[in-house]
This record gives sequence, C-alpha cells and structure tokens, in this order.
Amino acid sequence: EPEVTQTPSHQVTQMGQEVILRCVPISNHLYFYWYRQILGQKVEFLVSFYNNEISEKSEIFDDQFSVERPDGSNFTLKIRSTKLEDSAMYFCASSPRFSGDGYTFGSGTRLTVV
Amino acid sequence: KQEVTQIPAALSVPEGENLVLNCSFTDSAIYNLQWFRQDPGKGLTSLLLIQSSQREQTSGRLNASLDKSSGRSTLYIAASQPGDSATYLCAVAEGTSGSRLTFGEGTQLTVNP
Repeated sequence: EPEVTQTPSHQVTQMGQEVILRCVPISNHLYFYWYRQILGQKVEFLVSFYNNEISEKSEIFDDQFSVERPDGSNFTLKIRSTKLEDSAMYFCASSPRFSGDGYTFGSGTRLTVV
Repeated sequence: KQEVTQIPAALSVPEGENLVLNCSFTDSAIYNLQWFRQDPGKGLTSLLLIQSSQREQTSGRLNASLDKSSGRSTLYIAASQPGDSATYLCAVAEGTSGSRLTFGEGTQLTVNP
C-alpha cells in the first residue's frame, strides 16, 4: 500500500538553528499538509499546500515556518531559528484531491530542540 | 472555532469486550469525519472516513457512526483484542473544501488479555 515517507525519524537541534523536515507524499496525491503534535497535546494543523502554493495555514504557521516542493516528489517544512517550544512530532500528510478523499499520514519526525 | 472532544480520555477493558468511543464537535458544518489510530511514538493510521452525507462506515470489527446535526460520532469496536491497544483519534474536516483537520485529544485504549 502506498505510504507517505518522512525523514529523519528523529532530529535533535540547537536552539536558534534552522531545520528542514522532509516528506515524500504518495505519488498521485495533489494536496499536502503538515501537522504537529506537542507531547501530551492534540494534533494541530500547520499548513496545506496545493498547486505549488499554500492553500491554507494556521495561526501557528508564522514567518518562522516555510514549505516548499523543490521537485516532483519531495515536500519540505523549514523551521528557522528554532525555539524550545518547537519540540514536537511533525507529521506530513497527503490526499488525492482534498480531504474529501481522506488523508494518509507519514510516521512523523520527532524534533527535539535543546 | 471548531472544537473536538473525545470521551473517555482512557479506557481499559478485558479482551473480547465490545466497546464504544465517543467524539463530539461544536460546529456541524463539517466536510467529513475520520477516525485514526496512533500507536506510541508512531504516526496516524486511518481507520474509517465518514463523509458528511453518510451515517456510518464499517471495516471489519470497526463501525463508525455520524450524527452531524447533534455533532456526534461513535467508534464501535467489536470483540476487542490486545492488539487494539492504542490511542484513537477523531478528526473533522471543516468547511467546503475540508482542507484542515481538527483533532480531538484522543482516547487511550488498553485491552487486557
């Protein structure tokens, strides 16, 4: 069964550094998403991406964050100047058209900012 | 703003028992509702997707119902097994395009052998 692949599975970074989280969505999917889950809290929406541009973003997704689809397969989340509170599990997801067809999530990247 | 609540927060049952997990949402203008399973430290596995026009969906021992007007969904698990132990998350897709999912806090289920 097709999967959404995320790398790395765990990343540790120093506060103030930039990190890039990578995702390979399912190949024929058109919508891509990033969510995060701080330990012990709900899964939260960050951003959705379609046709090479952001279609929706949450209040969490400020200028510290950016997304990119640099080629035909990868979808990345960049976090600039990381803070301790950015420590969380970051999930990538994709859907065939929009969420009417349901989401497929990746296994996540655990980001630890020290 | 959409709020999703799941009850109970945790549930422990003996193997073989049938059980019901509850999900409620405040804004009935949803696009669809999806139930996920999350194992510790892992990603989200989709279990069932119910479109806003549907009343229920079934997959194996799982049955999910949706009552959009009252803002409720239930996930019924029949003949529970220890392998069902996980956190179960309910999420609603909002608005006309459904591009944003709002999640509940989850129900942590333990099935004891």
